[in-house]
Amino acid sequence: NAGVTQTPKFQVLKTGQSMTLQCAQDMNHEYMSWYRQDPGMGLRLIHYSVGAGITDQGEVPNGYNVSRSTTEDFPLRLLSAAPSQTSVYFCASSRTLVETQYFGPGTRLLVL
Amino acid sequence: DAKTTQPPSMDCAEGRAANLPCNHSTISGNEYVYWYRQIHSQGPQYIIHGLKNNETNEMASLIITEDRKSSTLILPHATLRDTAVYYCIVRVGNSGNTPLVFGKGTRLSVIA
Repeated sequence: NAGVTQTPKFQVLKTGQSMTLQCAQDMNHEYMSWYRQDPGMGLRLIHYSVGAGITDQGEVPNGYNVSRSTTEDFPLRLLSAAPSQTSVYFCASSRTLVETQYFGPGTRLLVL
Repeated sequence: DAKTTQPPSMDCAEGRAANLPCNHSTISGNEYVYWYRQIHSQGPQYIIHGLKNNETNEMASLIITEDRKSSTLILPHATLRDTAVYYCIVRVGNSGNTPLVFGKGTRLSVIA
């Protein structure tokens, strides 16, 4: 199993540009989530999904959209990037909400 | 979910036991204590979790006080590779719809 994979590893955007951060898992996990981590801070939950077709907001959802059309994939979309969205983004998955979460390697995003 | 309090940083000599404390005085009866760690720039990694009994696995031991208001993660023989940020998280373990909420954690430095 590849586990949780994220692409790209690093991205530079200009203010106002849009992009999609990809996340995929091959463990048939129902639960997937997106976190962001700013320097010196803990992880903050952006959006999560408890299964295909079901998503919900976390602590800091503004400026981000998600969808879950398949069990395997959970992309995170930035519609109009802002410098405040410069961060490291982690995707995670688990079999259920209460079980161990497995994290991807992260995507480093810089918005100029 | 109950909030947790952890010291911001700790040092430990290589080969000695690292004891990381966590206070969770408002924990509810059905809330579990989870520990994750994050090695520099990587995604968080699950370590251990427990409800009220002490737990041990190949990575660490978790000691929960009888009143469950605090716990200690023990790394029995710390190595340089254990240098990381350790997160103590309390959440409902067998029901509910809330994902993990990370705080700032404890930055453990293992010193040679």
